[in-house]
Amino acid sequence: DAGVIQSPRHEVTEMGQEVTLRCKLISGHNSLFWYRQTMMRGLELLIYFNNNVPIDDSGMPEDRFSAKMPNASFSTLKIQPSEPRDSAVYFCASSLPRERAPIMNTQYFGPGTRLTVL
Amino acid sequence: GENVEQHPSTLSVQEGDSAVIKCTYSDSASNYFPWYKQELGKRPQLIIDIRSNVGEKKDQRIAVTLNKTAKHFSLHITETQPEDSAVYFCAASRAYRGTSYDKVIFGPGTSLSVIP
Repeated sequence: DAGVIQSPRHEVTEMGQEVTLRCKLISGHNSLFWYRQTMMRGLELLIYFNNNVPIDDSGMPEDRFSAKMPNASFSTLKIQPSEPRDSAVYFCASSLPRERAPIMNTQYFGPGTRLTVL
Repeated sequence: GENVEQHPSTLSVQEGDSAVIKCTYSDSASNYFPWYKQELGKRPQLIIDIRSNVGEKKDQRIAVTLNKTAKHFSLHITETQPEDSAVYFCAASRAYRGTSYDKVIFGPGTSLSVIP
């Protein structure tokens, strides 16, 4: 298995533009997490999906951010319009269903997308 | 709300010495405590974990201890090597209230530097 796949790996855009980040879960995983990492705020959970349903979106900063899971293996995180303060590394992570996890709740992170908003 | 504190924020040790990172959590219902290592420019990766029914777990040079009463858990790295240099995150996990879904709260991270 290739692990969690994220695209693009790097994104540079101008303020006001729409940005879409993509994530493909590991096959058989049913939980999906989007995180944002910055030096100032560390690793922040943005949203958590389980079986395609958003369970916790309390970390989504504001209406400019939206996340979808159109199917069991794929998710998008959209920022519209983007702002310079959105510059960060965005990780997605997936995990097995609880009843199938050999190690409880282990999250497998993707390589991240480094977003720069000018 | 739930919170995980981690200390120190930065740590420098000489190669061969031991390193200890400590975490505290606020939610007494937390029952799973993973540790992740993130090398520069890389993704966080699980290195060791412990469940609430265990007080200590060891894997080669890495060990984790848990004190549920005090709500403390710690990562111990012995005989440190330069490749141990990274940011280490602790985390505490529990089910979302009233659900069977799990919530993971990460600590702010400790930047460990091992000096050759």
